Amino acid sequence: QSALTQPASVSGSPGQSITISCTGTSSDLGSYNLVSWYQQHPGKAPKLMIYEVSKRPSGVSNRFSGSKSGNTASLTISGLQAEDEADYYCCSYAGSTTYVFGTGTKVTVL
Amino acid sequence: EVQLVESGGGLIQPGGSLRLSCAASGITVSSNYMSWVRQAPGKGLEWVSVISGADTYYVDSVKGRFTISRDNSKNTLYLQMNSLRAEDTAVYYCARPNSASFKHAFDIWGQGTMVTVSS
Repeated sequence: QSALTQPASVSGSPGQSITISCTGTSSDLGSYNLVSWYQQHPGKAPKLMIYEVSKRPSGVSNRFSGSKSGNTASLTISGLQAEDEADYYCCSYAGSTTYVFGTGTKVTVL
Repeated sequence: EVQLVESGGGLIQPGGSLRLSCAASGITVSSNYMSWVRQAPGKGLEWVSVISGADTYYVDSVKGRFTISRDNSKNTLYLQMNSLRAEDTAVYYCARPNSASFKHAFDIWGQGTMVTVSS
């Protein structure tokens, strides 16, 4: 039950694209296409942005996209905007009805 | 409107006990997987526990100390926390891992309740 590994921080200028990686193991992220991503602004509850690796809930901007290859998932934010500045967490179903979150990535819009 | 509202947090001494509550509206707790996720100050999210039907599951660090349960008549989720340690200090969120529409993604979150374990 070790946390998934994310870069501590990623930054980009407005309009640019950034990608956040999320690395797990063959026992969790690598075994299931059940990766989700969350956006969390300071002092707020997390918000679901991506589920099932690459699907967006209704209301989430199509600037957010997800993918996965092997034991690594990725979240890409295109056309970076000031409002995207937040912490982002990945999460994977880990089998036997357990879940594991990533270490979190702080996104800074320069 | 779908809403989860946590309560019960506070300051507690090491070794003490606390029970958190999560009152749900707009969803039926008994019909859903329901979970607790915590976040230590300045740290990341950590999944703590989930209840599904009569089954319960926990992260290793709380096994034997925490118990998740629900009261269907009150549509409320609980987390009984015993033998609390300083490392349990965190904001505790109630959340729904939607096993149907969102394939176990946490689609609904409460606002969180702060638990501080300190002497």
